[in-house]
Amino acid sequence: NAGVMQNPRHLVRRRGQEARLRCSPMKGHSHVYWYRQLPEEGLKFMVYLQKENIIDESGMPKERFSAEFPKEGPSILRIQQVVRGDSAAYFCASSLTQGTNTDTQYFGPGTRLTVL
Amino acid sequence: AQSVSQHNHHVILSEAASLELGCNYSYGGTVNLFWYVQYPGQHLQLLLKYFSGDPLVKGIKGFEAEFIKSKFSFNLRKPSVQWSDTAEYFCAVNEGGNNRLAFGKGNQVVVIP
Repeated sequence: NAGVMQNPRHLVRRRGQEARLRCSPMKGHSHVYWYRQLPEEGLKFMVYLQKENIIDESGMPKERFSAEFPKEGPSILRIQQVVRGDSAAYFCASSLTQGTNTDTQYFGPGTRLTVL
Repeated sequence: AQSVSQHNHHVILSEAASLELGCNYSYGGTVNLFWYVQYPGQHLQLLLKYFSGDPLVKGIKGFEAEFIKSKFSFNLRKPSVQWSDTAEYFCAVNEGGNNRLAFGKGNQVVVIP
């Protein structure tokens, strides 16, 4: 029973490079959420997507960050021109197709991004 | 915006001691409440959740939490901890009508054998 998969688990980038983080939801789940955890902080919501649609991106930084969840394949969180402040753990979660606010979100292991 | 407060970020206690972790939130409307746990080297797992009904919720591994609406609180308890309860515990809340979870900063709990 595969849970939420994220890769890579660890990613190192130099300032100015691009970072691509992947998330495969649990089987049967078509709703994906991305959260960021800065050091000594709780998780902060970034974006909520359904297949081919961004539903809520109220937590996404206005520049350099984008997310997609194509019809086929994993969800991608893309960070362009990374800066040191982007260093964090990025967590993906998924929920069942209903996508109501009572759905439980199941989390992946996270990707730890380090920007040198 | 929703905010979630967890106090006493670091908690150290001995096996068989009782554990209580506080969680307070700021939103005044309908909320759904969650406690997640992250064991060392593992991903976040759901411990328990409250949507409606009985405000005393029982979760896995002997944990329970009580929703007190008047105090905007959802405290987590376990009467007798074990070494395997060493983990980080996160309280999370979402407001009725949206899917965004707001998390507290977490409680790092260390249980000494």
